[in-house]
This record gives sequence, C-alpha cells and structure tokens, in this order.
Amino acid sequence: AQSVAQPEDQVNVAEGNPLTVKCTYSVSGNPYLFWYVQYPNRGLQFLLKYITGDNLVKGSYGFEAEFNKSQTSFHLKKPSALVSDSALYFCAVGSGGSYIPTFGRGTSLIVHP
Amino acid sequence: DAGVTQSPTHLIKTRGQQVTLRCSPKSGHDTVSWYQQALGQGPQFIFQYYEEEERQRGNFPDRFSGHQFPNYSSELNVNALLLGDSALYLCASSGSRSRNTGELFFGEGSRLTVL
Repeated sequence: AQSVAQPEDQVNVAEGNPLTVKCTYSVSGNPYLFWYVQYPNRGLQFLLKYITGDNLVKGSYGFEAEFNKSQTSFHLKKPSALVSDSALYFCAVGSGGSYIPTFGRGTSLIVHP
Repeated sequence: DAGVTQSPTHLIKTRGQQVTLRCSPKSGHDTVSWYQQALGQGPQFIFQYYEEEERQRGNFPDRFSGHQFPNYSSELNVNALLLGDSALYLCASSGSRSRNTGELFFGEGSRLTVL
C-alpha cells in the first residue's frame, strides 16, 4: 500500500520569507510524487511532479520541490512567499504498480502580510 | 480549451435518497477518476473509468457506482445516502500522456450535503 504523511496541519510564514511544506511518503517501487494546491471552495490545481530525473523539480507559481529518496521525502518550497500563496496544499504519491495517486490530508499555508 | 466541468456545484439531499453527479473531462482526455473529499481531509479515491469500464476502485461500498459514456463524460451515483456521504466530490481527468504517471486535472467539485 502507498501512503503520504503531511506532518503539519498548518504552516505560517511572513510574506517575503521562504516557505517549506513537508511531505513524506511510503510506496513499493519507484514513486511518482505530486503537489496540488486547493483554494477555498475550489478543485485541486496541479503544481508540480517528480517522475524521474533531477531531484529538484520546478513547478508553477515559483514553487519547487526536492525529492530525497533516502529520507522518502518530497518537501515543497518557495524562496519568497506571497499572501496569495495562502491555500491548502496536498502531497500525493503513486507508483508504477498503481497509477492512482494517494493524497495526504493537506497542509494549510497561511502567509501573513 | 475547456477544463474539467462538474455539475451540479451544490446540492442538498436527505438520508436515504439517491444522487447523480456529472463530469465532463478536459478536452483530449479519456479517463475519469472520482474522489471524495470530506471536510478537513484529503481526496479519497472512489473509482476510475476508462473505455467505459470501471478500471480501479477504492475502498467504497457498492452504494457508489458510476458510468462513463462514449464521449468520455462520466456520472457518479450514490444510493441510500448517509449523513457521512456529505463531502466535496471531485472529478479528475487524465489522458494518454498523464494516465501512466497519475497526474490529474481536477474539476471544481460538487458539494453534497446530506441532511
């Protein structure tokens, strides 16, 4: 079975500061990893993915994530947070055995002006 | 290019009733997945349709059923509604390039309230 853990229910950061949203995963085989963002009362929007290749993945809106196989982590990062980044962020994992991604519970990111 | 569209956006039902939710995938996509997102939770996989057949199913009871039409649109049906079925139901589509990686394109969701 595959699973994702997002250890923080909420992350608070000041505008202009770097942000990190944590994600660890468990999967058999090579992981496919994703980050999605959800704004209030909206569906999920794709941010970025890791399938293979470079461990540092760049995505939409200036976000990036680093795949760390030894720590089974895929943390989401951004060098300088914006108030408009405030939203709910979901990490998801799939694999070649199951292309159906499993989602974490989500982390609420709050960026203070 | 239209994205994934879902209808209705909101609906209220009472326990024991039945509901049908509808989804049109993103242009060029042929695979539809349905997810249930309860308040404060991540999306939970219900099932996936491809070539008009249910291909994979999550841990949901038989009260949850679906259909995919030749134009790739899909319906989710829930019978004998329970209070616990109250949630945001998300439809996600994928195509030949994204299907084998799990990358999904989501609709805005249908919020179901069961009273």
